[in-house]
Amino acid sequence: AQSVTQLGSHVSVSEGALVLLRCNYSSSVPPYLFWYVQYPNQGLQLLLKYTTGATLVKGINGFEAEFKKSETSFHLTKPSAHMSDAAEYFCAVSRGGFKTIFGAGTRLFVKA
Amino acid sequence: GAGVSQSPSNKVTEKGKDVELRCDPISGHTALYWYRQRLGQGLEFLIYFQGNSAPDKSGLPSDRFSAERTGESVSTLTIQRTQQEDSAVYLCASSALAARSSYNEQFFGPGTRLTVL
Repeated sequence: AQSVTQLGSHVSVSEGALVLLRCNYSSSVPPYLFWYVQYPNQGLQLLLKYTTGATLVKGINGFEAEFKKSETSFHLTKPSAHMSDAAEYFCAVSRGGFKTIFGAGTRLFVKA
Repeated sequence: GAGVSQSPSNKVTEKGKDVELRCDPISGHTALYWYRQRLGQGLEFLIYFQGNSAPDKSGLPSDRFSAERTGESVSTLTIQRTQQEDSAVYLCASSALAARSSYNEQFFGPGTRLTVL
């Protein structure tokens, strides 16, 4: 069975600081991995995805994530936080096909 | 419109009433999903439709919940005899690819916020 664990339900950073949101997964087969972002009162929007190939993937708004098979991790990073990055972030895993398992989410706060 | 739309955006109802939530997927998307998001929590899978196949209802929490989809278009999620625990945001998503060997980018609607008093 697949599962996703996001470490930290809330993360607070200062504007300009590094953003690191942690995600670990379990999957019996090579997974497809996703990060979605949810801004207040909006639906989820795909930030980036890993399917095959390069393990470092770049997404929108300067975010990137690295697939580390040995650590079963897919942490999301951004070198310099912006106030507009404040949102909820969801890590998700899929083996292909329709079923996507979402983590519980991490709410990012950005302090001025 | 180009995106997934949902209506109503907000619904307040009294305990025991039935509610219907609507989702219009992106045109041409064969797969449609419903999720529930309780306050401060992640997404809870409810049901999945793919073309003319039988829907996967494995996530529906009780028999008070049901959903229908007409062809590859509109879907309605119905909750009968609502309870306060049903209060949540109900999100709909659609995707174009749902083959077993393909990844699955889902496009989400803005959600319907349901409040059961």
